[in-house]
Amino acid sequence: SQTIHQWPATLVQPVGSPLSLECTVEGTSNPNLYWYRQAAGRGLQLLFYSVGIGQISSEVPQNLSASRPQDRQFILSSKKLLLSDSGFYLCAWTLDRGIPYTFGSGTRLTVV
Amino acid sequence: AQSVAQPEDQVNVAEGNPLTVKCTYSVSGNPYLFWYVQYPNRGLQFLLKYITGDNLVKGSYGFEAEFNKSQTSFHLKKPSALVSDSALYFCAVREGSSGDKLTFGTGTRLAVRP
Repeated sequence: SQTIHQWPATLVQPVGSPLSLECTVEGTSNPNLYWYRQAAGRGLQLLFYSVGIGQISSEVPQNLSASRPQDRQFILSSKKLLLSDSGFYLCAWTLDRGIPYTFGSGTRLTVV
Repeated sequence: AQSVAQPEDQVNVAEGNPLTVKCTYSVSGNPYLFWYVQYPNRGLQFLLKYITGDNLVKGSYGFEAEFNKSQTSFHLKKPSALVSDSALYFCAVREGSSGDKLTFGTGTRLAVRP
């Protein structure tokens, strides 16, 4: 069966420090992968998506970047965190439009 | 561009009563519609989807949703609410272009009182 792993679960980082959040999917091949951010426990904002290795599309200009070094690995990064980067980050995958997204359990990032 | 509207920030209902969480959408072409539920500090869990076929779709935990093309709505319903249904509910629509991006509504918090 397919599973998605996202870590760490919580993270507290100082302003100006780097960031690396990792998401991996098991049990499937060539998934579409997504990073969402949820602010204030409500709306979800799509940050990046990827349809294949090395293929990254950015939805909003920001302080973050994403990479997909392997088929089932999706990484969210920042060189220097800002206070406004705080939020709940969710990774998700799917195979095609008829299949619902499966979400990871999320990472709570607090920038102090 | 596609969009989803959830007009209610919060819905309050007594346990045992029916519940409805509203969702309207705007999308070019045929919509792919989804409902997700989120419990505190957790990822989103899939409840149900409409792709094609019967306008009434049944999902997990006794939830169902009715697709209404003329009203561009996809309201979530349950005949008898449980306290454990209290959570944040998201409606979402899928775009058919590259990447199959999912656009979410702003969420509706459901509070079921005993």
